[in-house]
Amino acid sequence: DGGITQSPKYLFRKEGQNVTLSCEQNLNHDAMYWYRQDPGQGLRLIYYSQIVNDFQKGDIAEGYSVSREKKESFPLTVTSAQKNPTAFYLCASSTMDRVADTQYFGPGTRLTVL
Amino acid sequence: GDSVTQMEGPVTLSEEAFLTINCTYTATGYPSLFWYVQYPGEGLQLLLKATKADDKGSNKGFEATYRKETTSFHLEKGSVQVSDSAVYFCALSEVSGGSYIPTFGRGTSLIVHP
Repeated sequence: DGGITQSPKYLFRKEGQNVTLSCEQNLNHDAMYWYRQDPGQGLRLIYYSQIVNDFQKGDIAEGYSVSREKKESFPLTVTSAQKNPTAFYLCASSTMDRVADTQYFGPGTRLTVL
Repeated sequence: GDSVTQMEGPVTLSEEAFLTINCTYTATGYPSLFWYVQYPGEGLQLLLKATKADDKGSNKGFEATYRKETTSFHLEKGSVQVSDSAVYFCALSEVSGGSYIPTFGRGTSLIVHP
């Protein structure tokens, strides 16, 4: 089955630690995205990538980093510089087709800072 | 920049009631419009979409029509079920500097009582 997988589903971090969230897709999509979701605030774009070895900052990139070494993988690192990282993180992918640019989402990772 | 405005929730209905969730947008070009649905603890999934003016998207009894003159894409369903309880996101996607950057509304929570 084609789709997007995210792991882990739940993640706990201590203050001052970096953590990496995994996102893998087998849809052969060029574009991948990371969003942060907080209650009542919808989705906010952290980073996106439309080609291997290239990525762009979204609206709230501070305290986060990404890499895109393979087309199917787009891991997100939440660094200790992110002051309020507790949130639900969603990864998505899409084609670059103007007409069919639906976003396909993974199941999400819930990060909690202890 | 682009923006999407949805009616605030929660929207609370009895089973078999008529549903409308309003969505209006601001965009510089000719975006594609989407409705996504998110069930508790899950990622978003596409509900329906429309890619040009006057197109009607439909799926699972839900409908929305792309109205360019009123910049709207209201979601409707004639008879809701308890299983429709979820958060609904209106979104648009258009080319910006060669990139397809989606813009999401804040989401509207729907609660359907038996």
